[in-house]
Amino acid sequence: DVKVTQSSRYLVKRTGEKVFLECVQDMDHENMFWYRQDPGLGLRLIYFSYDVKMKEKGDIPEGYSVSREKKERFSLILESASTNQTSMYLCASRGAGASYEQYFGPGTRLTVT
Amino acid sequence: GQQLNQSPQSMFIQEGEDVSMNCTSSSIFNTWLWYKQDPGEGPVLLIALYKAGELTSNGRLTAQFGITRKDSFLNISASIPSDVGIYFCAGLPPFGGSQGNLIFGKGTKLSVKP
Repeated sequence: DVKVTQSSRYLVKRTGEKVFLECVQDMDHENMFWYRQDPGLGLRLIYFSYDVKMKEKGDIPEGYSVSREKKERFSLILESASTNQTSMYLCASRGAGASYEQYFGPGTRLTVT
Repeated sequence: GQQLNQSPQSMFIQEGEDVSMNCTSSSIFNTWLWYKQDPGEGPVLLIALYKAGELTSNGRLTAQFGITRKDSFLNISASIPSDVGIYFCAGLPPFGGSQGNLIFGKGTKLSVKP
């Protein structure tokens, strides 16, 4: 079974803080993704990575950056957290090849006060 | 960009009833996936569909890849309380879209009354 883990289930941070969200997958997947999920807006892609040290902007990259130094780990960084970044953050991974199935972690609910 | 319209947005049904939901688009898709998200958790893959017309079951769940490639349907038979959650469809545009990334519907929230 694919296992995607996220470092925190719940996080509370103050405006202006630098925030790190970590994601680890154990299936040797090439592709990893960060989404945010907000009521009424569904899942929106922030960044994705298709290889170590590679990253691509998704639909809403502003205010975020990412790091992928190892294949199994994909980090999302909020350089200076703002209240409008309060959200549920979901990490996902996908293998290479013809299957486009993405496997999700349990999510991190981030609150910025 | 391409969009998926998922309906209904929410459903409130009696335990034991059958459930139907669907995703439609004005564009064609090469792959359809259905996910379920329990409250406070990440989405879990239920069913993957790869060919137009394909009908696939997973227990009480049945999903179909529409013959036009522009829609997909998910049915749940004899619903039970643990079916509660949000059901998402996701589609892969032709030519793999952007790096093979999926497009997600906004979800159908299912509530079941015992």
